[in-house]
Amino acid sequence: GENVEQHPSTLSVQEGDSAVIKCTYSDSASNYFPWYKQELGKRPQLIIDIRSNVGEKKDQRIAVTLNKTAKHFSLHITETQPEDSAVYFCAATVQAGTALIFGKGTTLSVSS
Amino acid sequence: SQTIHQWPATLVQPVGSPLSLECTVEGTSNPNLYWYRQAAGRGLQLLFYSVGIGQISSEVPQNLSASRPQDRQFILSSKKLLLSDSGFYLCAWAGGTEAFFGQGTRLTVV
Repeated sequence: GENVEQHPSTLSVQEGDSAVIKCTYSDSASNYFPWYKQELGKRPQLIIDIRSNVGEKKDQRIAVTLNKTAKHFSLHITETQPEDSAVYFCAATVQAGTALIFGKGTTLSVSS
Repeated sequence: SQTIHQWPATLVQPVGSPLSLECTVEGTSNPNLYWYRQAAGRGLQLLFYSVGIGQISSEVPQNLSASRPQDRQFILSSKKLLLSDSGFYLCAWAGGTEAFFGQGTRLTVV
């Protein structure tokens, strides 16, 4: 089955800096890669996703890149703000009914 | 619009006691339903997922079980809880690929 590795487990940055979180996956059939943000005590919520026919996707300060050959994808947050502090999870799945497999999460701390 | 309900929000149970967590989804039919557990430092661990009534796939062998008696109902159970079962349990549904999570149940086994 699919296995998703996520690095780093913790990341501390200064406000305004960029943050990058990387994930690798094992199943070459996976073709959908979402990222979730979980604030303390709350449920995870989708912030951005990418499908295998796209190499990069951007939404304001957040971007995701995908390298299918190397089987890795990354989340990039630019101009970080304190409210970006949270746990971020990457995930991978094959479209059409199989389960989302999550990485172990990255705790991002943005200090002002 | 679709909503997901999960209860209870918090639960304290003694070791050896049974467990039943319930999750229901409204506003959609035939959803994929999931149970995840989030333990400290271990991320979101997939426990069970279901693509239809009576269809349960188990990802992690343990003393938990799941059932889907109705299309929009997913239940997580245990006959005898262990201390290691403590954690934050999240139910989720997906109509296609994106997963929507319930509010979670904080389970403490004492």
